[in-house]
Amino acid sequence: DSGVTQTPKHLITATGQRVTLRCSPRSGDLSVYWYQQSLDQGLQFLIHYYNGEERAKGNILERFSAQQFPDLHSELNLSSLELGDSALYFCASSVNVGSSETQYFGPGTRLLVL
Amino acid sequence: DQQVKQNSPSLSVQEGRISILNCDYTNSMFDYFLWYKKYPAEGPTFLISISSIKDKNEDGRFTVFLNKSAKHLSLHIVPSQPGDSAVYFCAASAPGEAAGNKLTFGGGTRVLVKP
Repeated sequence: DSGVTQTPKHLITATGQRVTLRCSPRSGDLSVYWYQQSLDQGLQFLIHYYNGEERAKGNILERFSAQQFPDLHSELNLSSLELGDSALYFCASSVNVGSSETQYFGPGTRLLVL
Repeated sequence: DQQVKQNSPSLSVQEGRISILNCDYTNSMFDYFLWYKKYPAEGPTFLISISSIKDKNEDGRFTVFLNKSAKHLSLHIVPSQPGDSAVYFCAASAPGEAAGNKLTFGGGTRVLVKP
């Protein structure tokens, strides 16, 4: 158990809908990262928040957004969902910022868009 | 542009023997490298890491070797155990705000340890 929690574990929805994925980092970790794992793209970085502020964006679609709250939990919002958004979404956390920070991953949310 | 590559999609090894997983990278700015293990329906679990200032790091049965000139790292697992059967990912990160602290992952190697 990494100490990172994600809810829900599974999500099934329809095209055009909007969903929210939630992540609670390990106790004491200030950084939260979101990654997407799809069959054809592997694990891809989406976005990084540190202590409530957005720090970096990766290949995140404009239909996707995220935020980190004062209690440090984070939410990833996916809107106008398409079939291709079906994937595993992982959140990870680390104590601080910096390239030498080890990121610890949550169990993931499996999203299926029908 | 795949900056981190794991060229062997799968590896089969006998219990008790050594498993060697390889990873190549192209971005010379990477300065921190990690190995994660992943079981189906679970998140990646951190195994071991190495900074670019070192060429070896050991933790129990796991040893990671880094060859910066060849832009190559490897993970040795010895002795291999049936519980090691999983998908292994190498990942790398680069310093600086432009890099964004993101991890760049390889495509993974599926390891099967036979009893």
